This record gives sequence, structure tokens and C-alpha cells, in this order.
Amino acid sequence: EIVLTQSPGSLSLSPGDRATLSCRASQNINSGFLVWYQQKPGQAPRLLIYGTSSRASDTPDRFSGSGSGTDFTLTISRLEPEDFAVYYCQHYGNSPLFTFGPGTKVDIK
Amino acid sequence: QLQLQESGPGLVKPSETLSLTCSVSGGSISSRGYYWGWVRQPPGKGLEWIGSLYYSGRTDYNPSLKSRVTISGDTSKNQFSLKLHSVTAADTAVYYCARVRPAWDSDYWGQGTLVTVPS
Repeated sequence: EIVLTQSPGSLSLSPGDRATLSCRASQNINSGFLVWYQQKPGQAPRLLIYGTSSRASDTPDRFSGSGSGTDFTLTISRLEPEDFAVYYCQHYGNSPLFTFGPGTKVDIK
Repeated sequence: QLQLQESGPGLVKPSETLSLTCSVSGGSISSRGYYWGWVRQPPGKGLEWIGSLYYSGRTDYNPSLKSRVTISGDTSKNQFSLKLHSVTAADTAVYYCARVRPAWDSDYWGQGTLVTVPS
């Protein structure tokens, strides 16, 4: 079973700052199966990035994803007020079919 | 525009069965290549995949829940359902239904429904 670890657990930043979020897998994974979601309080998760680096249709270009092997990164180039949220990485694998990381909370400093 | 909506009891007694339905509009659960899944989130915690129903009818379940979970689809009503048996307080969570694309990501989600199992 592949385990995803996200770091840091929380991040306090100001609007305009750059945010770098990490997702590490317990073993090498197919980068085509690494996904990032954003979740705001009281809302369902929202798809941001799929296949490690492809933005979903309504994802602003200040969001970018990168990585390979076991290390993956979500970068928000300049934080907007609406970007303060929890971010989850997810992997599609074998068993279980889908695994989520524990999340990184980005809050306002 | 695809829409998903969860429905079902908000309170389930311990040892009983949690039953939820996801109604899909703006698309068909028979659409080739898509999965239809359930994800849950205990209050203040992270996301957990419960299981998914492939368009063909095949199901996949999280091994940690497999012995208690049944997911099924009703194409005539364009709905899919979750049954979680023998619930305990640890099953208290917001339950989401979602569509899984062939890219193995979930692009459409229901709003979620809170199910409470009292201790």
C-alpha cells in the first residue's frame, strides 16, 4: 500500500506570498496518477491539478504542479485571498484504488 | 453541467446500516470510462476513499472498509448508492459522492452530507 505524506502540515503566509506544498509517496508512483485538490471549509474538494502538472479547466495559472518518483510539489506563485484553504494530494494505485494525503492547511499570517 | 447530490438519513444508530444515494444529473452513470465513487471525511479530519462503481458495474472498495461496504448503481434512476453496515461512532463523517474521470481524478463532487452515528 502506498502512503502519501504531506508537508508542512500547515503554512501561514500572506497574500502575495509564494506557497510550496510537498507530497511524498512511500514508493515510486506513476506521475500520471498524482492529483491535487483544494478544499475550503464547508465545501467539497475541488480538483486543481491532475497528472502531476495539468491544471483543471478552471484552475488559475498561479497554481502549478511538478514532481516525479516519490516527490511531488504544488506551488502557488502568488497567494490570493481565495487560496487560503486545505490542499490534498491523491494517488490512484492498486489497493486501495485511491489514497489521499493528510492535507496541508494554508492560512493567513 | 454535471451535478451530484447526496441524500439519506443524517443520523444512524450504532450497529445499523448507513444508506446513502447519489443522484446524478447532466450526465449518465453509464458513461463509458467513468467511475462513480464515495469519499468520506470525519469532522476536522482528512479525506478517505470508500469505494467506486465503474460504468460497467464493477466495484472497487477500500480494503479497510471492504467487509462492510456495498456500492451499487441504478441506471434507470441515474443514481448510485452506498451501504455501510454495522456502523460505529467512528463512521461519523461527511460523505461525498464524486465522478472519477479516466484521468483518475474526481472533477465533480456532491456537496456532501453529514452522517452522525452516536456513541
